[in-house]
Amino acid sequence: AQTVTQSQPEMSVQEAETVTLSCTYDTSENNYYLFWYKQPPSRQMILVIRQEAYKQQNATENRFSVNFQKAAKSFSLKISDSQLGDTAMYFCAFRPITQGGSEKLVFGKGTKLTVNP
Amino acid sequence: GAVVSQHPSWVICKSGTSVKIECRSLDFQATTMFWYRQFPKQSLMLMATSNEGSKATYEQGVEKDKFLINHASLTLSTLTVTSAHPEDSSFYICSASRGVEQYFGPGTRLTVT
Repeated sequence: AQTVTQSQPEMSVQEAETVTLSCTYDTSENNYYLFWYKQPPSRQMILVIRQEAYKQQNATENRFSVNFQKAAKSFSLKISDSQLGDTAMYFCAFRPITQGGSEKLVFGKGTKLTVNP
Repeated sequence: GAVVSQHPSWVICKSGTSVKIECRSLDFQATTMFWYRQFPKQSLMLMATSNEGSKATYEQGVEKDKFLINHASLTLSTLTVTSAHPEDSSFYICSASRGVEQYFGPGTRLTVT
């Protein structure tokens, strides 16, 4: 079974600074997707970024980038130039790619990020 | 694109009654939808996978007779909490698959008194 571990329950950062959220996972699959989702106080889940395991290049989306280390099964999220609106719970998630298989996401427990003015 | 709605956003019901929550994909068709439950300050817990035209697949420990799921069309899945009790009070979130990604509804807060 796959597991996702987020070892930082809470983090804080000053506005305009950079912060990195960690995520590790355990799987025997070779092909999979990894995601970071954001859940602000409204509780609407928002996709931040996605990484395909077969791609060596780290995904980036504006101020958000990942450091994907497949051998180490590590998938950290870096937020640059942090903004007050980045305050949210961040969940790391894993989904295997299996033909005809389940599309279920496996979530970590989340990291609560607070951006301070 | 890829908007998922849920209705109602908040519902209060009395113990012993049933309540239905709707999940709709507004601008795409979803053969697969998912239902999650989230307790305060915790992660999402998958309850079941809903496939259009077939029976839902429930996760271990989820009572299928209590949480009835119907996926009647490619844009609508419903979750009915039957004979609700205070311990069923929670935040329920649905999502719909489109390609690789899941798109989430805004959630429904259920309070059972």
